[in-house]
Amino acid sequence: NAGVTQTPKFRILKIGQSMTLQCTQDMNHNYMYWYRQDPGMGLKLIYYSVGAGITDKGEVPNGYNVSRSTTEDFPLRLELAAPSQTSVYFCASLRSQGGTGELFFGEGSRLTVL
Amino acid sequence: GNSVTQMEGPVTLSEEAFLTINCTYTATGYPSLFWYVQYPGEGLQLLLKATKADDKGSNKGFEATYRKETTSFHLEKGSVQVSDSAVYFCAEANNAGNMLTFGGGTRLMVKP
Repeated sequence: NAGVTQTPKFRILKIGQSMTLQCTQDMNHNYMYWYRQDPGMGLKLIYYSVGAGITDKGEVPNGYNVSRSTTEDFPLRLELAAPSQTSVYFCASLRSQGGTGELFFGEGSRLTVL
Repeated sequence: GNSVTQMEGPVTLSEEAFLTINCTYTATGYPSLFWYVQYPGEGLQLLLKATKADDKGSNKGFEATYRKETTSFHLEKGSVQVSDSAVYFCAEANNAGNMLTFGGGTRLMVKP
């Protein structure tokens, strides 16, 4: 199993540009999450999904959108990039049925908005 | 809402020193508790966990005991190594076990 795979690993955007961070998992996990981690800070939840077709806002959803058309994929969309969105983004997944509450994280996507 | 509080870093230690990183939680009931570790340039990975009171999680020489009476889950290691340099996150799960609340992270730096 590859686990949770994120692409791209690095990206530089100009203000106002849009992009999609891709996330896919091959563990058949129901729950998927997007977090952002600002320098020297902890994790903040952006959006999460409890299964295909269902998404919900987390702590800091403004400026982002998500979709969950399949169990495997959970892309994060930035429509109008702003410098405040410069951060490292982590996708994670969790098996909800009989699981241990353990999150599996991708390696992160470092985004810089100039 | 629930919150997890852990000591602020950075924590700087010499190799073979004893490590304690404090963590307290606020959730009622018996949430599962976790320590995650983030090595430079990588995502978080589970270090250890405990699912009920008085449980001790352990891995790679690290230990943490679930203390219900003090709502704490402090991380300890008897002898740290340079390779332990990383950021450590304490977390608690909600009752359904599908949402984690993370502490702010503690950076550990171990010098030779």
